[in-house]
Amino acid sequence: AQSVTQLDSHVSVSEGTPVLLRCNYSSSYSPSLFWYVQHPNKGLQLLLKYTSAATLVKGINGFEAEFKKSETSFHLTKPSAHMSDAAEYFCVVTLPNFGKGTSLLVTP
Amino acid sequence: DVKVTQSSRYLVKRTGEKVFLECVQDMDHENMFWYRQDPGLGLRLIYFSYDVKMKEKGDIPEGYSVSREKKERFSLILESASTNQTSMYLCASNTGSPLPRYEQYFGPGTRLTVT
Repeated sequence: AQSVTQLDSHVSVSEGTPVLLRCNYSSSYSPSLFWYVQHPNKGLQLLLKYTSAATLVKGINGFEAEFKKSETSFHLTKPSAHMSDAAEYFCVVTLPNFGKGTSLLVTP
Repeated sequence: DVKVTQSSRYLVKRTGEKVFLECVQDMDHENMFWYRQDPGLGLRLIYFSYDVKMKEKGDIPEGYSVSREKKERFSLILESASTNQTSMYLCASNTGSPLPRYEQYFGPGTRLTVT
């Protein structure tokens, strides 16, 4: 069985500071992991995905995530937040198991 | 570009009505999914389908049914709409068998209000 937990329902950062959105998973076999983003009143867009290749995955808009098997984590990071990063972020483990989402607020 | 289209962006229905939500994808994907999205609950899977005429229950199938008569089309049916089915409904598709390991492509969503 697979499940995913997004550890924070809301994250607030200042523009220009790092972003960390946390995701833990459980899976009975080697998982595929994804991060999706949903901007207000927009559809879901794939940010990045891990499918058992490199453990550090780079995505769009400067985001990246690291697969850590020992910690069963797949946290999403970005070195410097931009106002346009304000959105809802979803972690997914071996579709179609979505996390409940993390709402990212970026303040000036 | 992969395209997933949904028949309506906004829909208002009355309690007890039968409601059809249509989804069409143009990439010959085997798998199609219906989710509902509610604030604080994320996306919850209602039904999915691995092939024509095949369907599997997701986490919250009660009050819903689906139909997949053609590969490109997956319909969600609310047999008797109720106010607690007011939500955003998202359709998605992807390839990959037997387990859907590949990214999903989402439609724009249908915001359904049941009054």
